[in-house]
Amino acid sequence: EIVLTQSPGTLSLSPGERATLSCRASQSVTSSFLAWYQQKPGQAPRLLIYGASSRATGIPDRFSGSGSGTDFTLTISRLEPEDFAVYHCQQYGSSPLTFGGGTKVEIK
Amino acid sequence: EVQLSESGGGLVQPGGSLRLSCAASGFTFSTYAMTWVRQAPGKGLEWVSGITGGGGASYTSDTAKGRFTISRDNSKNTLYLLMSGLRADDTAMYYCAKGIHPSSWFLWDYWGQGALVSVSS
Repeated sequence: EIVLTQSPGTLSLSPGERATLSCRASQSVTSSFLAWYQQKPGQAPRLLIYGASSRATGIPDRFSGSGSGTDFTLTISRLEPEDFAVYHCQQYGSSPLTFGGGTKVEIK
Repeated sequence: EVQLSESGGGLVQPGGSLRLSCAASGFTFSTYAMTWVRQAPGKGLEWVSGITGGGGASYTSDTAKGRFTISRDNSKNTLYLLMSGLRADDTAMYYCAKGIHPSSWFLWDYWGQGALVSVSS
């Protein structure tokens, strides 16, 4: 099973700042099959990025993903008020599918 | 508009059973793989089980294997999760989700709002 470790656990930033979230895998993720989801309190997750760097339909271009192998990054170029949420990474290159523990982006 | 609506959650005693349903609309249900993902209170997401569009193949996590069964009725546009032998650590919000592509039981673009399952005596 691939274990995904997200860091930091909490990121305290102000609107307009840049956010950099990390997702590290315990072994190489096949074909960069790595996705990122955003989840707000009381809501279901929303797909942001898949294939490590492809934005899902309707996702603003301030969200970008990068990385390969075992190290992946989600970058939010300029935080908007609606971006404060929890972000989860997920690998779908091998079974069982696994998620990271999440990073909370909170308002500083 | 794609809509997914879970139902069937509730309080159940340890060892008991429960069947969750997920009613789908706004897309050709029979074409798309579907999955169940759960989230324990205050915790991260955990994949439970996925099924192909035609229902001919399913995939289940080791945690759920032997206790949970995923199925679908394409004539009713409904996905199911039959859970038995429930334990306290099965307490979670259970989400159904639609595959981003027809064969994608492993990556999802639409999620329901969830059904809460509480296992307690």
